[in-house]
Amino acid sequence: NAGVTQTPKFRVLKTGQSMTLLCAQDMNHEYMYWYRQDPGMGLRLIHYSVGEGTTAKGEVPDGYNVSRLKKQNFLLGLESAAPSQTSVYFCASSGANYGYTFGSGTRLTVV
Amino acid sequence: AQSVTQLGSHVSVSEGALVLLRCNYSSSVPPYLFWYVQYPNQGLQLLLKYTTGATLVKGINGFEAEFKKSETSFHLTKPSAHMSDAAEYFCAVTQAGSGGYQKVTFGTGTKLQVIP
Repeated sequence: NAGVTQTPKFRVLKTGQSMTLLCAQDMNHEYMYWYRQDPGMGLRLIHYSVGEGTTAKGEVPDGYNVSRLKKQNFLLGLESAAPSQTSVYFCASSGANYGYTFGSGTRLTVV
Repeated sequence: AQSVTQLGSHVSVSEGALVLLRCNYSSSVPPYLFWYVQYPNQGLQLLLKYTTGATLVKGINGFEAEFKKSETSFHLTKPSAHMSDAAEYFCAVTQAGSGGYQKVTFGTGTKLQVIP
């Protein structure tokens, strides 16, 4: 099915390790987003992109970096993981109709 | 500035009963409004949206919502709950615009429990 694909689905990191989460969409959407979801806090926007080669900070960008070298891909990086970054991460994309398409999530645990 | 308030983090209904999930928003310009559903261990899925036109919006799985500007509300309803409706529901708002990126603000979610 067309949509948003996130890899990996699960990951356990040790404090200080780095990793990259990959998001790929095949709907030719201009906009892409990374959110984190934590119990009782809903969805919080980490970074977003309004087009290939552009990125911008969301509500909680500290400790994360992103890149969008190709229109269909949006990468989220953690340079030095911390336990506070234990969360479920969702990628989403949208086009002109504003409706978001979400990936199935990456469950990250930092120990 | 815009915000979304979902009243009730948990709602329980009996199977076959009316489902009513409340959402109130604030927006300084005409809003676009959305409801998303999240089943366990899955991403969010668009249930329905209001942009312009008819204020009563029908979505998937028998859900509908009505945009009431005077009450700044966009409550989600379903006449008869089914066990498969058990999930978390998120209301979201963005600002109507002529194009380009518009920030979307999500509510904190309401978990719906359906009791057999």
